[in-house]
Amino acid sequence: AQSVAQPEDQVNVAEGNPLTVKCTYSVSGNPYLFWYVQYPNRGLQFLLKYITGDNLVKGSYGFEAEFNKSQTSFHLKKPSALVSDSALYFCAVRDGTGNQFYFGTGTSLTVIP
Amino acid sequence: EAGVAQSPRYKIIEKRQSVAFWCNPISGHATLYWYQQILGQGPKLLIQFQNNGVVDDSQLPKDRFSAERLKGVDSTLKIQPAKLEDSAVYLCASSLSRVETQYFGPGTRLLVL
Repeated sequence: AQSVAQPEDQVNVAEGNPLTVKCTYSVSGNPYLFWYVQYPNRGLQFLLKYITGDNLVKGSYGFEAEFNKSQTSFHLKKPSALVSDSALYFCAVRDGTGNQFYFGTGTSLTVIP
Repeated sequence: EAGVAQSPRYKIIEKRQSVAFWCNPISGHATLYWYQQILGQGPKLLIQFQNNGVVDDSQLPKDRFSAERLKGVDSTLKIQPAKLEDSAVYLCASSLSRVETQYFGPGTRLLVL
């Protein structure tokens, strides 16, 4: 079955420390991978995507993600967390046909001052 | 550039009533998506349009849900009759093409009593 897994419902990190939000996927064909962020009472905002090329992708607000084909992972990272990064983060994948788009269940990130 | 517009923002109805949601995508975006996001879950793709044609509606409960995009621009999603389990946020997104980044509207929060 095709799916996206975010194994952590909640991640807490101290301000200034590096953060990682994990994502693994299972789809047919070559995946297109995405990260979105959702702030309270606001819509989903695009952070970054991997289509092809360099496995390390840089996105908005200092976030980056690393595509690992052998581990079927696409973890979101940031070298130094800000309190304003506190939000709900979703990993998503488009399958090889381009017809289906799957979201993970989300990871709530809290950055502690 | 204007974003994806959705209306209404909130709707409360009783079960067995009907309801309709409206979406206006970003100008020039050929692909339009409707998602259902139940509280505590990631968005679930219901239907995908390419211009005014349906690309995929395999996750749409067709006995009660319908959607159309008659002129390839605006779209409406209808539920008739509504059930308690339809309580969710309904998100509309659009993209330039099926492989491009999706941009989301603010969503319509539906409560079925």
